[in-house]
Amino acid sequence: AQRVTQPEKLLSVFKGAPVELKCNYSYSGSPELFWYVQYSRQRLQLLLRHISRESIKGFTADLNKGETSFHLKKPFAQEEDSAMYYCALSRTSYGKLTFGQGTILTVHP
Amino acid sequence: DTEVTQTPKHLVMGMTNKKSLKCEQHMGHRAMYWYKQKAKKPPELMFVYSYEKLSINESVPSRFSPECPNSSLLNLHLHALQPEDSALYLCASSQAGTNEQFFGPGTRLTVL
Repeated sequence: AQRVTQPEKLLSVFKGAPVELKCNYSYSGSPELFWYVQYSRQRLQLLLRHISRESIKGFTADLNKGETSFHLKKPFAQEEDSAMYYCALSRTSYGKLTFGQGTILTVHP
Repeated sequence: DTEVTQTPKHLVMGMTNKKSLKCEQHMGHRAMYWYKQKAKKPPELMFVYSYEKLSINESVPSRFSPECPNSSLLNLHLHALQPEDSALYLCASSQAGTNEQFFGPGTRLTVL
């Protein structure tokens, strides 16, 4: 079975500080990993996918198959980064996205 | 048009009512999804349609009945719901063969 674990329900940092949101997964095959973000009163939107290796809004995430992790990082957090962040895993070309429980990030001024 | 739209935004219904949620996308996506999301919880997959055919049903109770009349539309018919079915219902779509899902804003359903 596939599982995604986000160990921190809440994460608070100050503006300008580095931030890392942790994500660990369990899956025996080759997973596809994503980070989704949900800003207050906005729709869930894709932030990153490991295949594209892009940097969006200053965020990066590297898939570490040895540690089965896909942590999300940003060197200098901004107040507008405050949101709910979900790590998600998929194993098929269409269909089931398995989400972690989410981490609420609060960036203080 | 690069968005998934959902109507209505809010819906209040009694346990004996019949109502429908509607989802629409014009991005040419051939996979569409229904999710249920409770407050401060992750979305839970309910149904997946691929090329207008139901491909995944995550053991959802029969009081939820999905329908995909064409490649742009996805409906969720509701009947005899329970108060615990109150939640945000999200629709999503993706290109066939990819997992990059685009989400709609959701319908907030309250069952009295």
